[in-house]
Amino acid sequence: AQKITQTQPGMFVQEKEAVTLDCTYDTSDQSYGLFWYKQPSSGEMIFLIYQGSYDEQNATEGRYSLNFQKARKSANLVVSASQLGDSAMYFCAMRRRGDMRFGAGTRLTVKP
Amino acid sequence: SQTIHQWPATLVQPVGSPLSLECTVEGTSNPNLYWYRQAAGRGLQLLFYSVGIGQISSEVPQNLSASRPQDRQFILSSKKLLLSDSGFYLCAWSARDRVKNIQYFGAGTRLSVL
Repeated sequence: AQKITQTQPGMFVQEKEAVTLDCTYDTSDQSYGLFWYKQPSSGEMIFLIYQGSYDEQNATEGRYSLNFQKARKSANLVVSASQLGDSAMYFCAMRRRGDMRFGAGTRLTVKP
Repeated sequence: SQTIHQWPATLVQPVGSPLSLECTVEGTSNPNLYWYRQAAGRGLQLLFYSVGIGQISSEVPQNLSASRPQDRQFILSSKKLLLSDSGFYLCAWSARDRVKNIQYFGAGTRLSVL
């Protein structure tokens, strides 16, 4: 069964610093996709970044980058130059054969 | 551009009452559609997904049902709500892109069953 693990219930980061949010996954499939979503207090899930299992380069989208280590089955999100508006829940997700599974989430708090 | 609408934003319903949550997508055709539920402080649980009109797959047995009467309309229903149905319900869509299949979410409906 596919499983997504986010071991950090909460993380704090100083404004303008970088922070890494951890995500590990478990699958025996070779083809899968990894996603990160941001959920602010309003509740909407906002897509941040995608990494395909066959992508050789780490994905980047603006201040977000995904540190993909396939052999270790980890897909950590790096948020650089943190802003106060980055404070939110962050969810890692994996899609395998059309089935999407989410981790429990990490609450990121950016301190001024 | 594509947009997804969900309503209502909040809903308070008594136990045993019916439920109907609606989700519509604009700016795309033949989307995959999804209903998720999020319990307080938890991740998302997939309830239903649909790849076309009238085609519904259920992930979790429960007293909820889903229907897709039109290509871009997805409805979540219940005949009799339970206390355990309280939660945050999110609708999502994705394009028929087999490579990425990125799901885009609506603003959600916060349901309280009392």
